[in-house]
Amino acid sequence: EAGVAQSPRYKIIEKRQSVAFWCNPISGHATLYWYQQILGQGPKLLIQFQNNGVVDDSQLPKDRFSAERLKGVDSTLKIQPAKLEDSAVYLCASSFMTGGHEQYFGPGTRLTVT
Amino acid sequence: RKEVEQDPGPFNVPEGATVAFNCTYSNSASQSFFWYRQDCRKEPKLLMSVYSSGNEDGRFTAQLNRASQYISLLIRDSKLSDSATYLCVVNMGDSSASKIIFGSGTRLSIRP
Repeated sequence: EAGVAQSPRYKIIEKRQSVAFWCNPISGHATLYWYQQILGQGPKLLIQFQNNGVVDDSQLPKDRFSAERLKGVDSTLKIQPAKLEDSAVYLCASSFMTGGHEQYFGPGTRLTVT
Repeated sequence: RKEVEQDPGPFNVPEGATVAFNCTYSNSASQSFFWYRQDCRKEPKLLMSVYSSGNEDGRFTAQLNRASQYISLLIRDSKLSDSATYLCVVNMGDSSASKIIFGSGTRLSIRP
């Protein structure tokens, strides 16, 4: 069974530039999550989708971050414009259902903003 | 007060030792609880779910104490390969919503 795919794996941009990350969840998984993990901290949930609807985006900085999952499968996360403090690993995860179910994580995208 | 709090460690213990760490959570209505393991520069992976009655998987035992609002993870006969960061995860949502919070993690280092 293929795991969660993410691209790119690494990205370096200058502040005020834009960047987009892509995630393809495990086939059949209805729930998709985007997390931000800053070095030395645990992952922070940015947004959670159930199919193509948003379940929780309370911690998404909506002035600069956006995410979509148009057909209920792939998802993209965009940052526009980037700030230095956005340097982190962006993790995508999926689960069969929402709530108390195992999440499978992709390898992450390591973003450096200079 | 953080919603989910863990002792960051590091815990440095000899191979074969027993080690335990706790994770406290702020919302008494939290629904589900998990322990994830994260190796350096890798993604988190589920170690075990935490059930109300407690559960055991080989050398690992997880417990939930709802009265004191904490979960625990016990590792017996620790191996070098157990060295990792252990993340506590709490779903603080109710039956109609989901609010997933990760702790900051506890670093464990097993020495030969």
